[in-house]
Amino acid sequence: GAVVSQHPSRVICKSGTSVKIECRSLDFQATTMFWYRQFPKKSLMLMATSNEGSKATYEQGVEKDKFLINHASLTLSTLTVTSAHPEDSSFYICSASYPSGVVETQYFGPGTRLLVL
Amino acid sequence: AQTVTQSQPEMSVQEAETVTLSCTYDTSESDYYLFWYKQPPSRQMILVIRQEAYKQQNATENRFSVNFQKAAKSFSLKISDSQLGDAAMYFCAYRRQGAQKLVFGQGTRLTINP
Repeated sequence: GAVVSQHPSRVICKSGTSVKIECRSLDFQATTMFWYRQFPKKSLMLMATSNEGSKATYEQGVEKDKFLINHASLTLSTLTVTSAHPEDSSFYICSASYPSGVVETQYFGPGTRLLVL
Repeated sequence: AQTVTQSQPEMSVQEAETVTLSCTYDTSESDYYLFWYKQPPSRQMILVIRQEAYKQQNATENRFSVNFQKAAKSFSLKISDSQLGDAAMYFCAYRRQGAQKLVFGQGTRLTINP
């Protein structure tokens, strides 16, 4: 149980285009999902918390108009990188909260590698 | 603000040996949860073990166990009988009770020598 998928696993796009990344909880309903960015050999940096049916909460310094998050259902959250530029190239990871026992635990998707040319 | 510190950027261990990864955290809260996640070369984050702060007993999952010292704010991970598949980045994480966000440490890269 508690499987999270992400699609696509990797994407290459031209500068100025928009890219959508999907995050799905496959065997559970996730009220809350999270989007992270990870630079090489670094820890995870939380970008935003996504709650189903409401606006995402963005971390300080993350441009909400640049990184659009939609959590339209209990099993799907999407991250859209708008007008992507080379500096947006990174590894993006989503996670979903699952009540494992008495502890809400985050389970992670496999990540999406974005390369903007 | 809560912080999590992993003071060992890299560790290595001989296959079949035991290794301990360190993690300390700073919080004024009394109720919280601690986690160890593993990120192998595939970059898939995998939950290794978790600990509720109100539990005195250290969590154990097969070859993985923790040494949770609440007063010292220390949460180390012990891996027994190390296997080649244990090679990965290991992240320690903290979550305050009632909060949604995880606070991650910087990570420790573990190498297993055959």
